[in-house]
Amino acid sequence: SQQGEEDPQALSIQEGENATMNCSYKTSINNLQWYRQNSGRGLVHLILIRSNEREKHSGRLRVTLDTSKKSSSLLITASRAADTASYFCATDLGAAGNKLTFGGGTRVLVKP
Amino acid sequence: GAVVSQHPSWVICKSGTSVKIECRSLDFQATTMFWYRQFPKQSLMLMATSNEGSKATYEQGVEKDKFLINHASLTLSTLTVTSAHPEDSSFYICSAGDRGYRYGYTFGSGTRLTVV
Repeated sequence: SQQGEEDPQALSIQEGENATMNCSYKTSINNLQWYRQNSGRGLVHLILIRSNEREKHSGRLRVTLDTSKKSSSLLITASRAADTASYFCATDLGAAGNKLTFGGGTRVLVKP
Repeated sequence: GAVVSQHPSWVICKSGTSVKIECRSLDFQATTMFWYRQFPKQSLMLMATSNEGSKATYEQGVEKDKFLINHASLTLSTLTVTSAHPEDSSFYICSAGDRGYRYGYTFGSGTRLTVV
Protein backbone atom coordinates (compact mmCIF):
# COMPACT_ATOMS: atom_id res chain seq x y z
CA SER A 1 0.00 0.00 0.00
CA GLN A 2 1.14 3.55 -0.57
CA GLN A 3 2.67 5.23 2.40
CA GLY A 4 2.51 8.72 0.98
CA GLU A 5 -0.20 10.91 -0.42
CA GLU A 6 0.76 13.80 -2.62
CA ASP A 7 -1.02 16.94 -3.57
CA PRO A 8 -1.78 18.38 -5.89
CA GLN A 9 -2.09 15.48 -8.28
CA ALA A 10 -1.37 17.85 -11.16
CA LEU A 11 0.09 21.32 -11.43
CA SER A 12 0.34 23.65 -14.42
CA ILE A 13 2.51 26.75 -14.21
CA GLN A 14 4.31 29.22 -16.42
CA GLU A 15 8.06 29.16 -16.88
CA GLY A 16 9.72 31.22 -14.18
CA GLU A 17 7.07 30.54 -11.56
CA ASN A 18 7.63 28.40 -8.51
CA ALA A 19 6.09 24.97 -8.11
CA THR A 20 5.21 23.53 -4.72
CA MET A 21 4.01 20.02 -4.03
CA ASN A 22 3.30 18.29 -0.77
CA CYS A 23 3.62 14.77 0.54
CA SER A 24 2.05 13.28 3.63
CA TYR A 25 2.87 9.91 5.11
CA LYS A 26 1.53 7.69 7.83
CA THR A 27 4.31 6.07 9.86
CA SER A 28 7.64 7.09 11.32
CA ILE A 29 10.40 7.25 8.76
CA ASN A 30 14.17 7.06 8.55
CA ASN A 31 14.30 9.41 5.60
CA LEU A 32 12.15 10.80 2.82
CA GLN A 33 13.27 11.12 -0.76
CA TRP A 34 12.01 12.99 -3.79
CA TYR A 35 12.28 11.64 -7.31
CA ARG A 36 11.51 12.95 -10.78
CA GLN A 37 10.17 10.82 -13.60
CA ASN A 38 9.95 11.97 -17.17
CA SER A 39 7.18 10.33 -19.15
CA GLY A 40 7.89 6.66 -19.79
CA ARG A 41 11.29 6.79 -18.16
CA GLY A 42 12.95 5.66 -14.96
CA LEU A 43 13.27 7.68 -11.80
CA VAL A 44 15.91 10.25 -11.06
CA HIS A 45 16.82 10.87 -7.44
CA LEU A 46 16.52 14.53 -6.52
CA ILE A 47 17.07 14.89 -2.83
CA LEU A 48 17.03 12.95 0.44
CA ILE A 49 16.09 14.45 3.76
CA ARG A 50 16.65 12.55 6.98
CA SER A 51 14.16 12.41 9.81
CA ASN A 52 16.31 14.68 11.96
CA GLU A 53 16.54 17.36 9.26
CA ARG A 54 13.98 20.06 8.67
CA GLU A 55 15.07 21.66 5.44
CA LYS A 56 17.42 20.89 2.61
CA HIS A 57 18.43 22.68 -0.57
CA SER A 58 19.85 21.49 -3.86
CA GLY A 59 20.14 24.03 -6.63
CA ARG A 60 16.62 25.26 -7.38
CA LEU A 61 15.08 22.63 -5.13
CA ARG A 62 14.05 23.15 -1.55
CA VAL A 63 12.64 20.34 0.56
CA THR A 64 11.12 20.65 4.00
CA LEU A 65 10.20 17.92 6.43
CA ASP A 66 7.83 18.19 9.37
CA THR A 67 7.89 14.91 11.25
CA SER A 68 5.27 16.10 13.74
CA LYS A 69 2.81 16.52 10.88
CA LYS A 70 4.27 13.64 8.88
CA SER A 71 4.58 15.83 5.83
CA SER A 72 7.14 17.12 3.38
CA SER A 73 7.13 19.68 0.63
CA LEU A 74 9.17 20.12 -2.52
CA LEU A 75 9.62 23.59 -3.95
CA ILE A 76 11.05 24.13 -7.41
CA THR A 77 12.00 27.76 -7.88
CA ALA A 78 12.19 29.61 -11.20
CA SER A 79 10.76 26.64 -13.06
CA ARG A 80 11.81 25.75 -16.58
CA ALA A 81 10.05 23.84 -19.33
CA ALA A 82 12.55 21.03 -18.72
CA ASP A 83 11.13 20.63 -15.21
CA THR A 84 7.97 19.16 -16.75
CA ALA A 85 7.73 15.70 -15.22
CA SER A 86 6.06 13.70 -12.48
CA TYR A 87 7.47 14.11 -9.00
CA PHE A 88 7.23 11.42 -6.35
CA CYS A 89 8.03 11.36 -2.69
CA ALA A 90 9.20 8.08 -1.23
CA THR A 91 9.62 7.09 2.37
CA ASP A 92 12.30 4.83 3.76
CA LEU A 93 11.18 3.34 7.03
CA GLY A 94 14.71 2.21 7.81
CA ALA A 95 13.51 -1.25 8.68
CA ALA A 96 15.17 -4.38 7.35
CA GLY A 97 15.17 -4.30 3.59
CA ASN A 98 15.20 -0.51 3.29
CA LYS A 99 12.40 -0.62 0.76
CA LEU A 100 10.93 2.62 -0.48
CA THR A 101 7.22 3.31 -0.49
CA PHE A 102 6.09 5.87 -3.02
CA GLY A 103 3.43 8.52 -2.92
CA GLY A 104 0.92 9.00 -5.69
CA GLY A 105 2.97 11.64 -7.48
CA THR A 106 2.39 15.14 -8.76
CA ARG A 107 2.39 15.75 -12.51
CA VAL A 108 3.94 19.12 -13.21
CA LEU A 109 3.58 20.93 -16.51
CA VAL A 110 5.73 23.99 -17.03
CA LYS A 111 4.52 26.02 -19.97
CA PRO A 112 7.09 28.05 -21.91
CA GLY B 1 27.87 7.53 -10.41
CA ALA B 2 26.01 4.28 -10.01
CA VAL B 3 24.12 3.10 -13.08
CA VAL B 4 21.54 0.38 -13.54
CA SER B 5 20.97 -0.79 -17.09
CA GLN B 6 17.51 -2.22 -17.73
CA HIS B 7 16.56 -4.14 -20.86
CA PRO B 8 14.52 -4.26 -22.91
CA SER B 9 13.09 -0.75 -22.78
CA TRP B 10 9.90 -2.02 -24.36
CA VAL B 11 8.51 -5.38 -25.38
CA ILE B 12 5.33 -6.66 -26.98
CA CYS B 13 4.42 -10.27 -26.43
CA LYS B 14 1.50 -12.58 -27.07
CA SER B 15 -0.78 -13.79 -24.32
CA GLY B 16 0.50 -16.96 -22.75
CA THR B 17 4.15 -16.36 -23.47
CA SER B 18 6.87 -15.42 -21.00
CA VAL B 19 8.97 -12.31 -20.97
CA LYS B 20 12.26 -11.72 -19.20
CA ILE B 21 13.42 -8.30 -18.06
CA GLU B 22 17.03 -7.76 -17.03
CA CYS B 23 18.63 -5.23 -14.73
CA ARG B 24 22.38 -4.94 -14.51
CA SER B 25 24.37 -2.78 -12.15
CA LEU B 26 27.26 -1.42 -14.17
CA ASP B 27 29.66 -0.01 -11.62
CA PHE B 28 28.57 -1.26 -8.26
CA GLN B 29 27.45 -4.43 -6.60
CA ALA B 30 23.67 -4.62 -6.38
CA THR B 31 23.25 -6.44 -3.10
CA THR B 32 19.53 -5.69 -3.08
CA MET B 33 17.20 -5.30 -6.04
CA PHE B 34 13.68 -3.97 -5.89
CA TRP B 35 11.13 -4.57 -8.63
CA TYR B 36 8.22 -2.18 -9.15
CA ARG B 37 5.33 -1.95 -11.54
CA GLN B 38 3.63 1.24 -12.56
CA PHE B 39 0.31 1.66 -14.32
CA PRO B 40 -0.30 4.78 -16.45
CA LYS B 41 -0.48 7.97 -14.41
CA GLN B 42 -0.09 6.02 -11.20
CA SER B 43 2.63 5.56 -8.67
CA LEU B 44 5.19 2.80 -8.35
CA MET B 45 4.03 -0.27 -6.50
CA LEU B 46 6.67 -2.52 -5.03
CA MET B 47 6.35 -6.09 -6.25
CA ALA B 48 9.28 -7.80 -4.62
CA THR B 49 12.66 -7.39 -2.99
CA SER B 50 15.56 -9.68 -3.73
CA ASN B 51 18.93 -10.05 -2.12
CA GLU B 52 21.78 -11.63 -4.02
CA GLY B 53 21.79 -15.36 -3.58
CA SER B 54 18.49 -15.48 -1.72
CA LYS B 55 14.89 -16.02 -2.67
CA ALA B 56 12.90 -12.90 -3.36
CA THR B 57 10.42 -11.53 -0.86
CA TYR B 58 7.13 -10.71 -2.54
CA GLU B 59 4.66 -8.06 -1.50
CA GLN B 60 1.18 -9.09 -0.55
CA GLY B 61 -0.95 -9.82 -3.59
CA VAL B 62 1.95 -10.43 -5.96
CA GLU B 63 2.02 -13.96 -7.39
CA LYS B 64 5.51 -15.36 -6.96
CA ASP B 65 4.89 -18.12 -9.49
CA LYS B 66 3.87 -15.59 -12.09
CA PHE B 67 6.62 -13.04 -11.50
CA LEU B 68 9.83 -15.02 -11.20
CA ILE B 69 12.79 -13.12 -9.84
CA ASN B 70 16.36 -14.31 -10.08
CA HIS B 71 19.22 -12.51 -8.40
CA ALA B 72 22.04 -14.98 -8.78
CA SER B 73 24.86 -12.46 -9.04
CA LEU B 74 25.76 -9.09 -7.59
CA THR B 75 25.38 -7.40 -10.95
CA LEU B 76 22.33 -9.03 -12.49
CA SER B 77 18.72 -9.53 -11.51
CA THR B 78 15.94 -10.70 -13.79
CA LEU B 79 12.16 -10.56 -13.64
CA THR B 80 10.30 -13.09 -15.75
CA VAL B 81 6.60 -12.55 -16.35
CA THR B 82 5.26 -16.02 -17.02
CA SER B 83 2.13 -16.85 -19.00
CA ALA B 84 1.56 -13.18 -19.63
CA HIS B 85 -1.96 -11.79 -19.83
CA PRO B 86 -3.09 -8.40 -21.14
CA GLU B 87 -3.63 -7.23 -17.56
CA ASP B 88 0.11 -7.70 -16.99
CA SER B 89 0.73 -4.86 -19.42
CA SER B 90 2.50 -2.24 -17.39
CA PHE B 91 5.75 -0.35 -16.85
CA TYR B 92 8.24 -2.38 -14.82
CA ILE B 93 11.15 -0.66 -13.07
CA CYS B 94 14.01 -2.07 -11.07
CA SER B 95 15.96 -0.31 -8.38
CA ALA B 96 19.24 -1.44 -6.86
CA GLY B 97 21.20 -0.73 -3.74
CA ASP B 98 24.58 -1.92 -2.64
CA ARG B 99 25.49 -2.97 0.88
CA GLY B 100 25.11 0.16 2.94
CA TYR B 101 23.28 1.98 0.16
CA ARG B 102 26.33 4.13 -0.56
CA TYR B 103 24.77 5.32 -3.80
CA GLY B 104 21.24 5.37 -2.48
CA TYR B 105 18.68 3.68 -4.71
CA THR B 106 19.59 3.58 -8.38
CA PHE B 107 16.73 3.03 -10.77
CA GLY B 108 16.72 1.40 -14.16
CA SER B 109 15.08 3.19 -17.07
CA GLY B 110 12.07 0.90 -17.03
CA THR B 111 10.48 -1.63 -19.38
CA ARG B 112 7.14 -1.02 -21.07
CA LEU B 113 5.44 -4.43 -21.40
CA THR B 114 2.45 -4.79 -23.71
CA VAL B 115 0.70 -8.13 -23.83
CA VAL B 116 -1.55 -8.62 -26.85
